[in-house]
Amino acid sequence: GENVEQHPSTLSVQEGDSAVIKCTYSDSASNYFPWYKQELGKRPQLIIDIRSNVGEKKDQRIAVTLNKTAKHFSLHITETQPEDSAVYFCAADSNYQLIWGAGTKLIIKP
Amino acid sequence: EAGVAQSPRYKIIEKRQSVAFWCNPISGHATLYWYQQILGQGPKLLIQFQNNGVVDDSQLPKDRFSAERLKGVDSTLKIQPAKLEDSAVYLCASSQGTGGTSSYEQYFGPGTRLTVT
Repeated sequence: GENVEQHPSTLSVQEGDSAVIKCTYSDSASNYFPWYKQELGKRPQLIIDIRSNVGEKKDQRIAVTLNKTAKHFSLHITETQPEDSAVYFCAADSNYQLIWGAGTKLIIKP
Repeated sequence: EAGVAQSPRYKIIEKRQSVAFWCNPISGHATLYWYQQILGQGPKLLIQFQNNGVVDDSQLPKDRFSAERLKGVDSTLKIQPAKLEDSAVYLCASSQGTGGTSSYEQYFGPGTRLTVT
C-alpha cells in the first residue's frame, strides 16, 4: 500500500526566512497531494494542494512542487511569520483515501 | 457553507465506560471519515464511509469500536469499553467523494477530545 514519509519532523527557522518541508510517496498511481496546517488544539486545515498534471503551484507565500518521476513533493513557505508556527502534514491519495505523513512541527523564531 | 459539525467537544470518562461521538458532514458530501489523533501524532484513519456503506475499516479496533452512518448523512462512533490508550482527539472529516480528484479534498470538524482516566 501507499507509504508517505515526511521530513524533517521539526523545523526551526528565523522569522522572515524560508521553510521547506519534503515528502516522498510510494504509490505511483497517486494523483492528489494536499498539505494541511494544524495549529495547537485546532483541526487540520487544507492550505494548498497539487495534482499530478501540475509541477508547481503558488498561493501568496506558500508553494508546493511535485516531482512525479522521483515521487516526492515539497512545501515551501517564504518570508515566514509567527502565525506560520504549526504542525504541517502532507498526504497523498491512494484507493480513494488520503495517506498522511507523520507531520512537521514548524517553529518560527523571533 | 456550514462546516463539519461534531459533538461533544470534550469528554472525560473512566476506563471500561462507553462513549459515543456524533458527526454531521458538509451537506452533499458523500464520503465521511473518522480519524483518531493521539497527541503529537498525525491523524490515523479509523473508518471511511461512502454514503452509508463502509469503504475501509481496516484500522478500526472492532472489538471495542463501532461506527455507523445509517442514512448516509450523520455518523456516530462508539467506544465500548474504553481503555486508557483511547485518550485522543477524534476527528470527523468529509469530502465530496463523487469521483475525480476534487472529491478527495477533506474538510475537518473541530474534533472531540476524549480523556480516559
